[in-house]
Amino acid sequence: GENVGLHLPTLSVQEGDNSIINCAYSNSASDYFIWYKQESGKGPQFIIDIRSNMDKRQGQRVTVLLNKTVKHLSLQIAATQPGDSAVYFCAENANNDMRFGAGTRLTVKP
Amino acid sequence: NAGVTQTPKFQVLKTGQSMTLQCAQDMNHNSMYWYRQDPGMGLRLIYYSASEGTTDKGEVPNGYNVSRLNKREFSLRLESAAPSQTSVYFCASSEGPAAYYGYTFGSGTRLTVV
Repeated sequence: GENVGLHLPTLSVQEGDNSIINCAYSNSASDYFIWYKQESGKGPQFIIDIRSNMDKRQGQRVTVLLNKTVKHLSLQIAATQPGDSAVYFCAENANNDMRFGAGTRLTVKP
Repeated sequence: NAGVTQTPKFQVLKTGQSMTLQCAQDMNHNSMYWYRQDPGMGLRLIYYSASEGTTDKGEVPNGYNVSRLNKREFSLRLESAAPSQTSVYFCASSEGPAAYYGYTFGSGTRLTVV
């Protein structure tokens, strides 16, 4: 999974730029992946998901890319806005066992 | 649509005290979950209920018990709170198995054990 520790990886971007948040997952048997957004003091919010039979999926302003060869997942946010500031984490599912990464803190500078 | 509602939002307990965290969902979901979130770590599953009438242990069940009261409600009980249980607790629900459905989370309960 992602880095585990007291301090989350951070990404700081300028408003209007594109953001790319990465996730290295651990289980080669994982077949379903989800990105969540968590704002301060709130619960995680579903953003987008992808299954292992796909390598790309697009939503509104977000794109998820899956590279099963290197067990890597990324979330791209287009035209990042101040409201996108949050912690983003990935989840991987294998055999009905969902595991969550620690997350990356995205800060958007106005 | 309320989604997943958790109560209370904040709680301070003394070591050895007991309490129950409440969770209710109004989406007619079959599966419900309790997670804890600690600084710098991913969510860890405490207990889950795949369907009404069933409960199973997750990754970190020690010190906790659960009750699936009905399809809507899933409570988490700490019988004798310990400082190691200081955490943010999230309840979640899904239509069905984790292999096919994402989760809807509540807003969390921030618990401090002193």
